Amino acid sequence: GAGVSQSPRYKVAKRGQDVALRCDPISGHVSLFWYQQALGQGPEFLTYFQNEAQLDKSGLPSDRFFAERPEGSVSTLKIQRTQQEDSAVYLCASRRGSSYNSPLHFGNGTRLTVT
Amino acid sequence: AQSVTQLDSHVSVSEGTPVLLRCNYSSSYSPSLFWYVQHPNKGLQLLLKYTSAATLVKGINGFEAEFKKSETSFHLTKPSAHMSDAAEYFCVVSPVDRGSTLGRLYFGRGTQLTVWP
Repeated sequence: GAGVSQSPRYKVAKRGQDVALRCDPISGHVSLFWYQQALGQGPEFLTYFQNEAQLDKSGLPSDRFFAERPEGSVSTLKIQRTQQEDSAVYLCASRRGSSYNSPLHFGNGTRLTVT
Repeated sequence: AQSVTQLDSHVSVSEGTPVLLRCNYSSSYSPSLFWYVQHPNKGLQLLLKYTSAATLVKGINGFEAEFKKSETSFHLTKPSAHMSDAAEYFCVVSPVDRGSTLGRLYFGRGTQLTVWP
């Protein structure tokens, strides 16, 4: 059984470039989350999808961050005009249902370095 | 408002000795509480969760945690550390009140556990 898959595993971008990070959740999982984990910190919530609907994007740090999940499965997190403070590990997690009791399954993350 | 405080950023123990990783939380409602472990270059793995059933929760790999509402604590323990336990541990709270995104997790800053041979 495949888990949550994220690509690329590592991404180096020059400041000002746009990047796109991909998340393939576990098949059939309704809920999908994106988290940002800065060096030495715990992950912080970015956004949440239930199927294709983005129900909560309150954690996105600026309007340079955009996430989508058009068909309710694969999700893409896009960062425009990257800045050095965007350097972090971006984690995707999925869950079968929408109940808070259901465990989240995390991917291994994409490590973004902005130079 | 929800928050999690992990009282130690680093804990070092010798193999075979007990492990205690401390966590205090703040939540407007009785939350769900979790411990996750993160090994280097690996994804976060759920160790255990508390969801208002038994206050003593048993997890994987011999870990357990006790929910103490009066102390707003959820400390993680293991009787005997193993070398493979060396990792980063996160205490996590998930609010269950209306108006919150169900399942949104609030992470502590993490405790790095080092196990000496």
